[in-house]
Amino acid sequence: ETGVTQTPRHLVMGMTNKKSLKCEQHLGHNAMYWYKQSAKKPLELMFVYNFKEQTENNSVPSRFSPECPNSSHLFLHLHTLQPEDSALYLCASSSGTESQPQHFGDGTRLSIL
Amino acid sequence: GQNIDQPTEMTATEGAIVQINCTYQTSGFNGLFWYQQHAGEAPTFLSYNVLDGLEEKGRFSSFLSRSKGYSYLLLKELQMKDSASYLCAVRDSNYQLIWGAGTKLIIKP
Repeated sequence: ETGVTQTPRHLVMGMTNKKSLKCEQHLGHNAMYWYKQSAKKPLELMFVYNFKEQTENNSVPSRFSPECPNSSHLFLHLHTLQPEDSALYLCASSSGTESQPQHFGDGTRLSIL
Repeated sequence: GQNIDQPTEMTATEGAIVQINCTYQTSGFNGLFWYQQHAGEAPTFLSYNVLDGLEEKGRFSSFLSRSKGYSYLLLKELQMKDSASYLCAVRDSNYQLIWGAGTKLIIKP
């Protein structure tokens, strides 16, 4: 139990569907992150939120839309995805202090048909 | 560009010692992290180095040389449960984490 919960754990969707990934952290952290993890590739940072404000958007296509209603919750809204978007999507949180690590959820395994 | 290099895969024997290397070229340095990730699970934090030298934590140790852009993770008395991927990540001058692709460690009886 990492203190970061992601739902759903698995998601299969067609290219025309709209779905959302949810992340909740119970650690009192003020920063939350979305990462994409593809096989044999480094983690790709997608979005960063600090105190609910988006501070980073690493050139992510607009078909991915993040939402952070409060410091404990983070969503990733998906629409008209492509097959190359199939990957493990990881959520993480941190206290924002330099030496403190990020804590990860178990991820959502996304498959695009 | 920024780059983190780790071996893709390593194999070791139960009870032995293994060293996983990580070399980095980043714009600035504000610390290096090692994470463990079992298949289908969350990456979990193992160690943090910001000064040169060795940090020991039970069976796991991590070493850093900033002048060489080099770190290693040392695992002693290997157990089957240590089979996992090990991720190296460096915090750059903008305090962003730059990740390696991970090293898959296979432990054999």
